[in-house]
Amino acid sequence: QKEVEQNSGPLSVPEGAIASLNCTYSDRGSQSFFWYRQYSGKSPELIMSIYSNGDKEDGRFTAQLNKASQYVSLLIRDSQPSDSATYLCAVKNDMRFGAGTRLTVKP
Amino acid sequence: DTGVSQNPRHKITKRGQNVTFRCDPISEHNRLYWYRQTLGQGPEFLTYFQNEAQLEKSRLLSDRFSAERPKGSFSTLEIQRTEQGDSAMYLCASSLTGGNLDEKLFFGSGTQLSVL
Repeated sequence: QKEVEQNSGPLSVPEGAIASLNCTYSDRGSQSFFWYRQYSGKSPELIMSIYSNGDKEDGRFTAQLNKASQYVSLLIRDSQPSDSATYLCAVKNDMRFGAGTRLTVKP
Repeated sequence: DTGVSQNPRHKITKRGQNVTFRCDPISEHNRLYWYRQTLGQGPEFLTYFQNEAQLEKSRLLSDRFSAERPKGSFSTLEIQRTEQGDSAMYLCASSLTGGNLDEKLFFGSGTQLSVL
């Protein structure tokens, strides 16, 4: 059974802090990794994708991938209250999602 | 392009009844996914299609669940003999993938199923 695990939440950070979200996966053949954000009552939307080991930055978001450790993370710098949502890790080939980590950014 | 459309938005049914949901993906999207989501959990993978071919089905899915995508466009998900544990949000997503590493899913608004 292919597994995608995320660090248990909820996670609460003050405004302006760095939020760190983690994800591990069991299928060593996985090559593509995605972070989705889901606001309460809404459907998930893509934030970032990453395919190569190392870091990938997009604005305040940085995705990190370590295939040897089967680990992918998402850092959110200068967290804003509008970042409060559930963050979902997804792994290709069949796009399985983790359970999600609920993030609250307090003003 | 109107996005991924799911119908109905809400479905209330009695235990033991059959229900069918429909998903219309973004036109020309070749992949279509079905997920089930309950409160506080991530989307649980059910199945996905590449055009009309069903490529994978979750082993967690009982034989009461079946999905089709007969012409490679819209898809239906049927649940037979519904149980209270089937109550959840059923999400459909589509993507256009050319076999490369990148793939962005576009989700519909979901169908909320309540089994009484």
